[in-house]
Amino acid sequence: EAGVTQFPSHSVIEKGQTVTLRCDPISGHDNLYWYRRVMGKEIKFLLHFVKESKQDESGMPNNRFLAERTGGTYSTLKVQPAELEDSGVYFCASSQLGQISGNTIYFGEGSWLTVV
Amino acid sequence: RKEVEQDPGPFNVPEGATVAFNCTYSNSASQSFFWYRQDCRKEPKLLMSVYSSGNEDGRFTAQLNRASQYISLLIRDSKLSDSATYLCVVTPGFQKLVFGTGTRLLVSP
Repeated sequence: EAGVTQFPSHSVIEKGQTVTLRCDPISGHDNLYWYRRVMGKEIKFLLHFVKESKQDESGMPNNRFLAERTGGTYSTLKVQPAELEDSGVYFCASSQLGQISGNTIYFGEGSWLTVV
Repeated sequence: RKEVEQDPGPFNVPEGATVAFNCTYSNSASQSFFWYRQDCRKEPKLLMSVYSSGNEDGRFTAQLNRASQYISLLIRDSKLSDSATYLCVVTPGFQKLVFGTGTRLLVSP
């Protein structure tokens, strides 16, 4: 069974440009999460989808970030315009419906973003 | 104040050593507790859940003290392959994980 897949794995863009990150959750997982880790900081929650609906977007840093999950399958996270402080690794995770626990949430390998 | 605090390390230990990591959390309503392991430039992976009664998985022992809001991880007989960053993670009762910054462990021959 395929795990959580993320694309691109690495991206280098210039300040002011736009980048779109994609996440394909495990098939059948209604919960989809985005997290990110910026340099020197802890991994932080960005938002949570249940199917196509945003359940919690309290972690989104500002309105330069837009997440979508049309159709409740894959999700995209767009950063527009990118700033230097957006550099870091963006992790996607998925789980089935129900209370999450450590052994029911699966992380992708991350999308490494460098803004120059 | 961070929600989950960890000593960033690094902890440098020889093979075979015993090493302990600690973590404190600020939200007393936190419901679930975990240790994750993260290798360099990889995703975090669950190492073990943590229970108040304490739990053991091979060389790894985890302990939770709810009164002190304190979580620990003990690694016995360290292996080279244990070198990684260990992340303390709690769930505040919502559908999200709250991570500490991680403690880096380096096990040398």
